[in-house]
Amino acid sequence: NAGVTQTPKFQVLKTGQSMTLQCAQDMNHNSMYWYRQDPGMGLRLIYYSASEGTTDKGEVPNGYNVSRLNKREFSLRLESAAPSQTSVYFCASRRDNSYEQYFGPGTRLTVT
Amino acid sequence: EDKVVQSPLSLVVHEGDTVTLNCSYEVTNFRSLLWYKQEKKAPTFLFMLTSSGIEKKSGRLSSILDKKELSSILNITATQTGDSAIYLCAASGGSNYKLTFGKGTLLTVNP
Repeated sequence: NAGVTQTPKFQVLKTGQSMTLQCAQDMNHNSMYWYRQDPGMGLRLIYYSASEGTTDKGEVPNGYNVSRLNKREFSLRLESAAPSQTSVYFCASRRDNSYEQYFGPGTRLTVT
Repeated sequence: EDKVVQSPLSLVVHEGDTVTLNCSYEVTNFRSLLWYKQEKKAPTFLFMLTSSGIEKKSGRLSSILDKKELSSILNITATQTGDSAIYLCAASGGSNYKLTFGKGTLLTVNP
């Protein structure tokens, strides 16, 4: 039981490049989330998916797209990376009827 | 807009000290408040509080919610160097189960 996994762990991009961050969970959770964490800013919600086939914007969605590929996987895409997107990205999932979210290990992204 | 404010933002103590971390929230249709501990990697769950005045305890850590004051505290007694971490507070409101996080408190415990 791996919980929430994320790939890659680290990534360096040049401005304008694109990439997809992958997230998968094996806990059969319906809800999944993408956050970014910047120094001194806590966790800010980018997008979330309440169930397979649905996605909704969070607090800071600009510059990102998401895909809920199936119940297990929720990916985050940066179409044209900008230095302001340098951050640590966390994926999380949540058990139905519970507020507790389970987090993946994070992806540290640097955009130069 | 929902808001969670934590204080202090950082704190340095010596091993054996007792610390109190604060969290206040302004959340529409408040449902629950959660505390997480974040060391090098992912946040890990500590407590969830939904009822006012009921203390949750786990070893040297305890937490309580005050719905009248819209706040919560996290206490750590007899601190150890392993307690050094960022402590995150998050609140949930409405029916969509989304969490709004505070900026966190960076606790450093020196030997």
